[in-house]
Amino acid sequence: KAGVTQTPRYLIKTRGQQVTLSCSPISGHRSVSWYQQTPGQGLQFLFEYFSETQRNKGNFPGRFSGRQFSNSRSEMNVSTLELGDSALYLCASSLGQPSGANVLTFGAGSRLTVL
Amino acid sequence: DAKTTQPTSMDCAEGRAANLPCNHSTISGNEYVYWYRQIHSQGPQYIIHGLKNNETNEMASLIITEDRKSSTLILPHATLRDTAVYYCIVRVAMGTTDSWGKFQFGAGTQVVVTP
Repeated sequence: KAGVTQTPRYLIKTRGQQVTLSCSPISGHRSVSWYQQTPGQGLQFLFEYFSETQRNKGNFPGRFSGRQFSNSRSEMNVSTLELGDSALYLCASSLGQPSGANVLTFGAGSRLTVL
Repeated sequence: DAKTTQPTSMDCAEGRAANLPCNHSTISGNEYVYWYRQIHSQGPQYIIHGLKNNETNEMASLIITEDRKSSTLILPHATLRDTAVYYCIVRVAMGTTDSWGKFQFGAGTQVVVTP
């Protein structure tokens, strides 16, 4: 079956602009999580959505936001971009069944460069 | 979730077994051990997970000590394509946390497989 699809794969923006990234989870997966990866900070959890509701949020400013649609597809938005927002943004999906282990399947990521 | 300690880096000869250690001395009874790897600039790839028993799949084997305070990921016949950063993560079972999609990725172990 198809994996987690993220679009766009690469994008370049300038400071002050805003960006929207998209994630299509594996069919049947209802939980979508977003991560930011930078060389200095590694992989950091941004937020998680389940059934169109944000379940958890990492320690990021309010400029970072997200949403999930009824078909489980998710988008994240970063407003007023800063140079430090340059990163690989990763989306991961999982079944979200509340028992036992929870395996995340990651997409290839969206590489954002802010100039 | 319990913290994990992994060596920063290790080398392995192609065709030999790669044994990647992970220390999780504060692990609790309902916490799973997960292993992911990330090949440069790609999304993390799930390898294997376990709770108490040793596990094996087509990619690797996971050996968990009887006291569960440490584990070893074994890549039986390392290839050049196994060169990656390997992450060991300990995480509570779903149903006992609201953070289903939140995994704490540390720095991991950089594994370099050489010809």
